[in-house]
Amino acid sequence: DTGVSQDPRHKITKRGQNVTFRCDPISEHNRLYWYRQTLGQGPEFLTYFQNEAQLEKSRLLSDRFSAERPKGSFSTLEIQRTEQGDSAMYLCASSLEAGEQFFGPGTRLTVL
Amino acid sequence: GENVEQHPSTLSVQEGDSAVIKCTYSDSASNYFPWYKQELGKGPQLIIDIRSNVGEKKDQRIAVTLNKTAKHFSLHITETQPEDSAVYFCAASPQGTYKYIFGTGTRLKVLA
Repeated sequence: DTGVSQDPRHKITKRGQNVTFRCDPISEHNRLYWYRQTLGQGPEFLTYFQNEAQLEKSRLLSDRFSAERPKGSFSTLEIQRTEQGDSAMYLCASSLEAGEQFFGPGTRLTVL
Repeated sequence: GENVEQHPSTLSVQEGDSAVIKCTYSDSASNYFPWYKQELGKGPQLIIDIRSNVGEKKDQRIAVTLNKTAKHFSLHITETQPEDSAVYFCAASPQGTYKYIFGTGTRLKVLA
């Protein structure tokens, strides 16, 4: 399967812990996006990268959130000091230039 | 700010009937409008898209129409089948950015 992959698929953590998610985009895609989706809502944009450069960040991305794409390939999204309100599905997408965004299966985070 | 409204939130149709989902966007500079289908436990999958220089696009049983003046766009599914049952999201991409602003989704149920 050469689609977007995300790891882990599910994460349960206690409030106050740090969590890190990984996204592997489609291999030739230079753009990578992170979205957050809560139950019954559409995905909300968090941030995006062109190669290794983080070019746009949403106001939703508080200082507890950080994303990296160190070599322009895979990306990580870290949430520090998790809160119950961080519980959501975190979706990663990739695209070739401004083309179609292909989404991964998501990482479902539950903060207890 | 940028906003996309989507109606209805749920839609039930008999197999073989048509389904129509409508969206309205706020940013008149938006120039790209994708539609995604999301099945349970999976990431969104693009089913059709339309750019602002086109009024209508069709792909087999699926069509999308765009009214730039009214800032409306709609998804039309004809001859619905049980496998069309899913949540459908519209989105708009504001000019000058590569993020998508998603609607809140429509849960479509096709009754056999």
